[in-house]
Amino acid sequence: EIVLTQSPGSLSLSPGEGATLSCRASQIVTNNYLAWFQQKTGQAPRLLIYGASNRDVGIPDRFSGSGSGTDFTFTISRLEPEDFAVYYCQQYGSSPGTFGQGTKLEIK
Amino acid sequence: QVQMQESGPGLVKPSETLSLTCAVSGASISSTNCFWGWIRQSPGKALEWIGSIYKSGSTYYNPSLKSRITISADTSKNQFSLNLASVTAADTAVYFCVRGVSTPYACGMWGQGTVVTVSS
Repeated sequence: EIVLTQSPGSLSLSPGEGATLSCRASQIVTNNYLAWFQQKTGQAPRLLIYGASNRDVGIPDRFSGSGSGTDFTFTISRLEPEDFAVYYCQQYGSSPGTFGQGTKLEIK
Repeated sequence: QVQMQESGPGLVKPSETLSLTCAVSGASISSTNCFWGWIRQSPGKALEWIGSIYKSGSTYYNPSLKSRITISADTSKNQFSLNLASVTAADTAVYFCVRGVSTPYACGMWGQGTVVTVSS
């Protein structure tokens, strides 16, 4: 099973600032099948990025993903108030699909 | 627009079987080239992929749960189900049904989730 380690565990930033989140895999992620999700309290996760760098339909372009192999990065260029949430990475290239432990993005 | 809605008992006794159903609207589970699956989230913890089913009826299970899981589909009702046997308190979680493309472990679309508590 591929273990995904996200860093940092939490991040305190102000609206307008940029955020960079990391996701490191214990093995190569097949076909770079790496997704990023946003989860707000009491809600289901929402897909933002798939295939490491592809934004899902309707996702603002301030959200971006990059990386390949075992090292992946998620970036929010300019934080909006609604972006403060928990972010998870997930690899869906091999069994079982696994998630990182999450990064909590908090308002400073 | 595809929508998914989970349903099932919110409270299950230890050692019994947890049974959940996901009703799908806006897409046919028997013809769409998608995987229909389940993910859970324990209180304060991260997410765990449980398993999925394809339109052909092929199933894919998390090895850690495989001995206790059955995922099935009822195409006449356009819904799919999860049975998890011999539950313990560790199975207490929010259970989400999901739809994915490309692989059995993908989850691009989610239901709102349903809370299941295992307690006597």
